[in-house]
Amino acid sequence: DTGVSQDPRHKITKRGQNVTFRCDPISEHNRLYWYRQTLGQGPEFLTYFQNEAQLEKSRLLSDRFSAERPKGSFSTLEIQRTEQGDSAMYLCASSLAGLGGEGTEAFFGQGTRLTVV
Amino acid sequence: AQSVTQPDIHITVSEGASLELRCNYSYGATPYLFWYVQSPGQGLQLLLKYFSGDTLVQGIKGFEAEFKRSQSSFNLRKPSVHWSDAAEYFCAVGTWSSASKIIFGSGTRLSIRP
Repeated sequence: DTGVSQDPRHKITKRGQNVTFRCDPISEHNRLYWYRQTLGQGPEFLTYFQNEAQLEKSRLLSDRFSAERPKGSFSTLEIQRTEQGDSAMYLCASSLAGLGGEGTEAFFGQGTRLTVV
Repeated sequence: AQSVTQPDIHITVSEGASLELRCNYSYGATPYLFWYVQSPGQGLQLLLKYFSGDTLVQGIKGFEAEFKRSQSSFNLRKPSVHWSDAAEYFCAVGTWSSASKIIFGSGTRLSIRP
């Protein structure tokens, strides 16, 4: 297993277009996170899944954003009708939650850099 | 809800000098704490973590951090920095709960003076 992988690494799109990003977590990890990072800032939490269930969504995640993890393995993050303000690095991470639900460290992918022009 | 504050936006130290990056967290219960490092255009790499037990934790690349519950702090230290340590450093906090997520601070950019 080579870690968390994200595809594509870079995406340039015109304002108003839809984009979809994919994340493949570490295979045995049951928890998957999406974060957004803008220049000079720390990663901002967007949402996370435990297996296929989406447990929490940040208020940052507007109606134009949707995330899925249909079989509890890979995940997709779709942004509809992109805006220039969506330009950012989108980071995916995975972790293995314990039997009691407690979390552990998250392992991050390289990210997808989105530029909306 | 948990939160993390990194009060120093940018720090410059000379190569070979010691380093301390500050981190304060806010959370009502026992947190678990992390330091991550990010090089330009890259993802985040875990340097070290604290879950429980010894409050002084050792990490990779010669880094260590100390959890001080009374000060709600988890400062990162290194006795002698190398030019390759120049990067962005993020402190993060997670929670012991079934609805766990990890929240990051805004980061401290470390520059190394030759």
